[in-house]
Amino acid sequence: NAGVTQTPKFRILKIGQSMTLQCTQDMNHNYMYWYRQDPGMGLKLIYYSVGAGITDKGEVPNGYNVSRSTTEDFPLRLELAAPSQTSVYFCASSRGTENTEAFFGQGTRLTVV
Amino acid sequence: AQSVSQHNHHVILSEAASLELGCNYSYGGTVNLFWYVQYPGQHLQLLLKYFSGDPLVKGIKGFEAEFIKSKFSFNLRKPSVQWSDTAEYFCAVNALGNTDKLIFGTGTRLQVFP
Repeated sequence: NAGVTQTPKFRILKIGQSMTLQCTQDMNHNYMYWYRQDPGMGLKLIYYSVGAGITDKGEVPNGYNVSRSTTEDFPLRLELAAPSQTSVYFCASSRGTENTEAFFGQGTRLTVV
Repeated sequence: AQSVSQHNHHVILSEAASLELGCNYSYGGTVNLFWYVQYPGQHLQLLLKYFSGDPLVKGIKGFEAEFIKSKFSFNLRKPSVQWSDTAEYFCAVNALGNTDKLIFGTGTRLQVFP
């Protein structure tokens, strides 16, 4: 029972490089989310998706892009990495929005130097 | 806009002390409320949740929380903490019919000393 799986667990990027953070879930959840966690700031929603082919911006979408071609996968793309994107990124999924809980992946620690 | 406030940023307790962490949200409609816990180096895990019904909800590891609608609050409590409760605690709110997104507070870091 894998739940929500994120890869990689750690990554160091140079300024200006690009990368994709992978997220996959095996619970057939419609909703998926990307959050970033910074010390003292809690979790901020970057993007979310309510189903395959549908995505929308969260609180802090600038500098990121997402796609949702399948129910299972919700990759997060950084096109031009900046030091401000140094953070821990969490992917989550839920069955819906009402009366459901979100399940989180193990996180990806990204450092941009 | 929907928001969540956690007033205690860092709490330090001795084992067996009682714990109460505050959480307030800003939305006048129907909400789903959650407390998540993050142990050092780990991902977020659900501690407890409120959807409807009895406003006093019990979660894992002896934690409970009370939903007080008139105060827009969902405070987390535990009568007697243990060293293993050392973690970061996050309150989260889903404002149903508004944003339908799970919004988190800034978290409270709890340190419990033996």
